[in-house]
Amino acid sequence: DQQVKQNSPSLSVQEGRISILNCDYTNSMFDYFLWYKKYPAEGPTFLISISSIKDKNEDGRFTVFLNKSAKHLSLHIVPSQPGDSAVYFCAARRTTSGTYKYIFGTGTRLKVLA
Amino acid sequence: NAGVTQTPKFRVLKTGQSMTLLCAQDMNHEYMYWYRQDPGMGLRLIHYSVGEGTTAKGEVPDGYNVSRLKKQNFLLGLESAAPSQTSVYFCASSYTTGGNLNTEAFFGQGTRLTVV
Repeated sequence: DQQVKQNSPSLSVQEGRISILNCDYTNSMFDYFLWYKKYPAEGPTFLISISSIKDKNEDGRFTVFLNKSAKHLSLHIVPSQPGDSAVYFCAARRTTSGTYKYIFGTGTRLKVLA
Repeated sequence: NAGVTQTPKFRVLKTGQSMTLLCAQDMNHEYMYWYRQDPGMGLRLIHYSVGEGTTAKGEVPDGYNVSRLKKQNFLLGLESAAPSQTSVYFCASSYTTGGNLNTEAFFGQGTRLTVV
């Protein structure tokens, strides 16, 4: 049962354009959402996050949008740069009885073309 | 600042062999996690720990055991390796919530394990 889904395994975007990565989730108990970026042969690194009580969070070129009614979040990268080429994972945090864990999606490979 | 360190980085095992993956973090984090990454499957949680001396099962715990004897270390054990356990393993750690919502997980570099 995949609770966090990234339905697009790959995405190609021209340098300077907007990249939009999407993520859907099924569990309404998730209270915090994160995006991670992963380069080959490296561990995932935290990129940006958003609390379930907000609908937008911005950090430089990166913006995350959350639509709770649709159980959908998206990551916008504007403008896209070749160095943004990586695999992006969406993650959701579930808090149960005071403890929490992170559930990850399957990832989207972004390729920014120069 | 080392962050999260995994040992070893690569390993090849024969079916039936056992091994232990070591994860060490120097950020005084309470929570630690083990994930495996497989093509098309993303990162799946194997086991996690919410503090020294505690462990809990994640999404795919079968065939693995873990121990958290010291706060800074989280060990992942394979008692009898199977080809299905060929994967890249990532360890991560994070703070407790404590009212702070910015509790992202920090990851190690990964261990590439091949079981033949």
